[in-house]
Amino acid sequence: AQTVTQSQPEMSVQEAETVTLSCTYDTSESDYYLFWYKQPPSRQMILVIRQEAYKQQNATENRFSVNFQKAAKSFSLKISDSQLGDAAMYFCAYRDGGSQGNLIFGKGTKLSVKP
Amino acid sequence: DTGVSQDPRHKITKRGQNVTFRCDPISEHNRLYWYRQTLGQGPEFLTYFQNEAQLEKSRLLSDRFSAERPKGSFSTLEIQRTEQGDSAMYLCASSLTQGTYNEQFFGPGTRLTVL
Repeated sequence: AQTVTQSQPEMSVQEAETVTLSCTYDTSESDYYLFWYKQPPSRQMILVIRQEAYKQQNATENRFSVNFQKAAKSFSLKISDSQLGDAAMYFCAYRDGGSQGNLIFGKGTKLSVKP
Repeated sequence: DTGVSQDPRHKITKRGQNVTFRCDPISEHNRLYWYRQTLGQGPEFLTYFQNEAQLEKSRLLSDRFSAERPKGSFSTLEIQRTEQGDSAMYLCASSLTQGTYNEQFFGPGTRLTVL
């Protein structure tokens, strides 16, 4: 069974600095997708960034980028120029490419941003 | 706001009572998912629908849980004879099967407290 592990329960970053959140996963599939979701306090979970396993190029969305290491099964999220609004729970998630079904989530990392 | 709505947002009930939650997905989305999120954990998959057909159920979905999507639009999740262990946030998500990512858009969740 596929698993997703986030080893950092909490992280803290100074405003305007850069922070990296870690995620590792385990799967025997070759076709899959990886996602980072943001869940602000008492607000809806939203997609931050996504990556297809067959793409070697790391995904980038404005201040958010990933470091996808397929062989190591690692999928870290880098947030540059951190802003106060980035404070939230961040979840790494996995989905099989074929099933188009459910997401498998890690336990999350709580990110605090210090002014 | 992702466009997915859930009702109610909060529900407090006594052990043994039945509760029903509603999810309204984004109107053109044909897939609808239910997840459960307990404190300190990431969301865990419960079940999903494609149109009105329930295609997959997690082993987490005990016999006391039932979900429906009668006309392929909104969905309901009912829990019978609630137990304290059912206390959690119940999240709904919807997606469109067209395209590569089938991005799931999440609702705000229904927080259930069983006394």
